[in-house]
Amino acid sequence: QQQVKQSPQSLIVQKGGISIINCAYENTAFDYFPWYQQFPGKGPALLIAIRPDVSEKKEGRFTISFNKSAKQFSLHIMDSQPGDSATYFCAAHLYNQGGKLIFGQGTELSVKP
Amino acid sequence: KAGVTQTPRYLIKTRGQQVTLSCSPISGHRSVSWYQQTPGQGLQFLFEYFSETQRNKGNFPGRFSGRQFSNSRSEMNVSTLELGDSALYLCASSLGKGATNEKLFFGSGTQLSVL
Repeated sequence: QQQVKQSPQSLIVQKGGISIINCAYENTAFDYFPWYQQFPGKGPALLIAIRPDVSEKKEGRFTISFNKSAKQFSLHIMDSQPGDSATYFCAAHLYNQGGKLIFGQGTELSVKP
Repeated sequence: KAGVTQTPRYLIKTRGQQVTLSCSPISGHRSVSWYQQTPGQGLQFLFEYFSETQRNKGNFPGRFSGRQFSNSRSEMNVSTLELGDSALYLCASSLGKGATNEKLFFGSGTQLSVL
């Protein structure tokens, strides 16, 4: 199965709170898991990424947690800000498939001031 | 460095027509991938070109085609347009070295509306 399932579809968080977005996959041939952020009228922009041999990666307020045995990974946004309001996509890269990414359905995040 | 440039930004066509979209990758990038984004299906991979050759292909009908030029610029063509082809078409460029963690850089897309 080449699907990546993402939840929730939408998320409302108060300023300063933690936003958590979850993704799950089935195919063990996925070898790289990036997260993208997309603002209205713009293309997706790479936010942070992780390889399956790493359990956690942190960059500033953004952290990916990866559970290889459960085939799940999640994005945590600490101290969420109104400027973080955007649509977030998890994705998975298949081994030896170049620029082909399998994307989750997206999560629309709204951070209320 | 300039980012990925897609033209035109908006396009309105009628059913049965054909359309050509253009993408200029980041300087030095040799791989160009195309994605279709719709509210219902999300982001779906169309195809990837590297060194003027199609390297990967998604599950789209033959009406969707593309090509890449020697300067790495790419075009995609959709023939015999259908209403369901209305979407945001995104182009992404990367170095093309085939590394697992190679970063994709997306353009702002071409919004195609089929009437």
